[in-house]
Parts: sequence; C-alpha cells; structure tokens
Amino acid sequence: DAGVTQSPTHLIKTRGQHVTLRCSPISGHKSVSWYQQVLGQGPQFIFQYYEKEERGRGNFPDRFSARQFPNYSSELNVNALLLGDSALYLCASSAGGSSYEQYFGPGTRLTVT
Amino acid sequence: GENVGLHLPTLSVQEGDNSIINCAYSNSASDYFIWYKQESGKGPQFIIDIRSNMDKRQGQRVTVLLNKTVKHLSLQIAATQPGDSAVYFCAENRAGGTSYGKLTFGQGTILTVHP
Repeated sequence: DAGVTQSPTHLIKTRGQHVTLRCSPISGHKSVSWYQQVLGQGPQFIFQYYEKEERGRGNFPDRFSARQFPNYSSELNVNALLLGDSALYLCASSAGGSSYEQYFGPGTRLTVT
Repeated sequence: GENVGLHLPTLSVQEGDNSIINCAYSNSASDYFIWYKQESGKGPQFIIDIRSNMDKRQGQRVTVLLNKTVKHLSLQIAATQPGDSAVYFCAENRAGGTSYGKLTFGQGTILTVHP
C-alpha cells in the first residue's frame, strides 16, 4: 500500500510569492494534518482537516490556509512568503474518528530566498 | 504553558547496547503519546504509541513506559543497531474536542549508534 505522498519534494521561492503544497493521505484515511518543521526543531501543528472540514488550527498567521478535497487529498497554501517560512512541511494522515495514529509523508522542503 | 520536552538532546551508544530516550510533558490532560523516529531528509516514522490508561507497552525491540505521576515518558530500544541512528521525537495529544489531530512534539533526541 502507498503511504502518504507529498508534492513537490523540494521548492524554491522568493519573498512575497505564493506557494501550494499537496498531500495525498493513505487510502481509507479521512483526516489530514499539516505541520511545519524548522531545522533542528520538532514539527509544529498548522492545520487539521477531517471530512473536508477544518478541525484544528495552530498558531500560524492568516497567510497560511488549507483545504481538503472530496478524495481526502489536501493542499496547504502560503501567501506573501517570508524568509522564516523556509522549512520542511509535513503532511500526516489518520483514519480519523477515534483513531489517533498519524502517519507522516516525506515532506516538502521549502526554501524562501 | 503546554510543552513536551526531552531531557537529553544527544545520546551515543555502542551497537548491541540498550538505549533509553526520555521525555517530559507538562499537560496533565494529555492522554495519548507517540514516539517517532526521523531520519535525515525523511518524515517522522511512527514507532510506538501508548494511551494514558496504560503504563507500559511493548513492540518489536522497543518499549514505551509512561509515568503519569511525574509526567514522564521513555522509549527503550533493545539491542540498538546502527540503523536505529536518527532523531527521536515524543509527541502528545489530548482527547476530547475536535482537534484530536493536533500533535505537540518535543525537542527531539539525536541517537547515534557506533558499530
């Protein structure tokens, strides 16, 4: 079975630009969560979606937004990029409901110059 | 505030030794804990989890211990192998509400296994 997939693998953007990151969860999983991991730190929670509805939001500015599609895949959008947005963006999927187990994808490495 | 942290940022062991990685948490409402392994350039890999109604859980070569009295979590790796070298994170979650998908991660411990 395919695990969580994310695209692109790497991305280089300049300040002020916009970026869209994509995630496909494990087949059968209905919940997707997004995390930002700055080098040398643990992942920080950004968003969680379940059945296309936002179920949780971390302490990130409104420049960050996300959505989930009917097939449970998800997009993370970041507007007006700042240098500090450079990080590994991780997507995690879980079955949802009473299941807490989250499985992470390989991440998208975003570099803002 | 709420946080999950690790006592030791680095741990070096010899191949074949047992490894113990520790984690402290401060949110007494947390009821679910996970250990992840993250290798360079990869996403976190699920190792083992434990719910707050348990104090010990065993997997293949790994054991997680939970002490709710002192809010302490540990990961024990038996017969550590060079392939176990990675950064290990503990993470916690809290039951109830709708944000059950929100994991709070600790700082991470770098485990280095010497052949």
